[in-house]
Amino acid sequence: AQSVTQLDSHVSVSEGTPVLLRCNYSSSYSPSLFWYVQHPNKGLQLLLKYTSAATLVKGINGFEAEFKKSETSFHLTKPSAHMSDAAEYFCVVSDMNTGFQKLVFGTGTRLLVSP
Amino acid sequence: EAQVTQNPRYLITVTGKKLTVTCSQNMNHEYMSWYRQDPGLGLRQIYYSMNVEVTDKGDVPEGYKVSRKEKRNFPLILESPSPNQTSLYFCASSLQDRVTYEQYFGPGTRLTVT
Repeated sequence: AQSVTQLDSHVSVSEGTPVLLRCNYSSSYSPSLFWYVQHPNKGLQLLLKYTSAATLVKGINGFEAEFKKSETSFHLTKPSAHMSDAAEYFCVVSDMNTGFQKLVFGTGTRLLVSP
Repeated sequence: EAQVTQNPRYLITVTGKKLTVTCSQNMNHEYMSWYRQDPGLGLRQIYYSMNVEVTDKGDVPEGYKVSRKEKRNFPLILESPSPNQTSLYFCASSLQDRVTYEQYFGPGTRLTVT
C-alpha cells in the first residue's frame, strides 16, 4: 500500500529565508508524487508533480522538489520565502504502475512566514 | 473560466436530515472525485467516478452516496448525516483517470452536523 509521511506539521520561516518541507513516501511500484498547496479558505492547487521523468522537478512560484529513490523522499524547497507562501502544503503519492488517479495524501505541513 | 464549483460553501444541519452537496465542472472532464479533509488526517477519498454512470468507492464511503448522470455534475448525498461527518469536503475533476492528468479542486464545502 502507498503512503506518505510529512515529517513536520508546522514549519516557520522568515521572509527571504529558504523553505524546506519534508516528505517521505512508501510505494510498492514506481510512484507519481505531487505537492499541492492550500491557501486559507481556498481549494487545493497543484504546485508540481513527478511522474518518472527528471528527478528534479520545478513548479510554480519558485518551488521545486527532488525525487530521491534511495531515500524514498520528495522534499519541497524554495530558495527565498515570500509572505504569500504561507499556506498548508500536502505531499501526495499515486501508484504509477496502475496509472489510475488513486491519490494518497499526507497529513499536511502548515508553513508560517514571518516578516 | 475553467473551474470546479461546489454548493453550498457552508452548511450547518442536524443529525438525520438528508442533504446534497453539488459539484459541477465546465472542463468536460471524465474523472471526478469527492474527498473529505479532517485535521491531522489530510484528504481522504470518499467516492470517485471515471465517467457517466460509472462510480466506485474510495477509502471512506460509509454514510455517503453519489451519482453521475451527467458528465459535468457529481453530487454528494448524505442520506442521514451524523456528527462524525462534520468535515471539509472537496470535489475534484480530471480530464481522465490516468495519474498523469492533474486533478482540479473545487473551493470546498464546510459541513457541520449537530
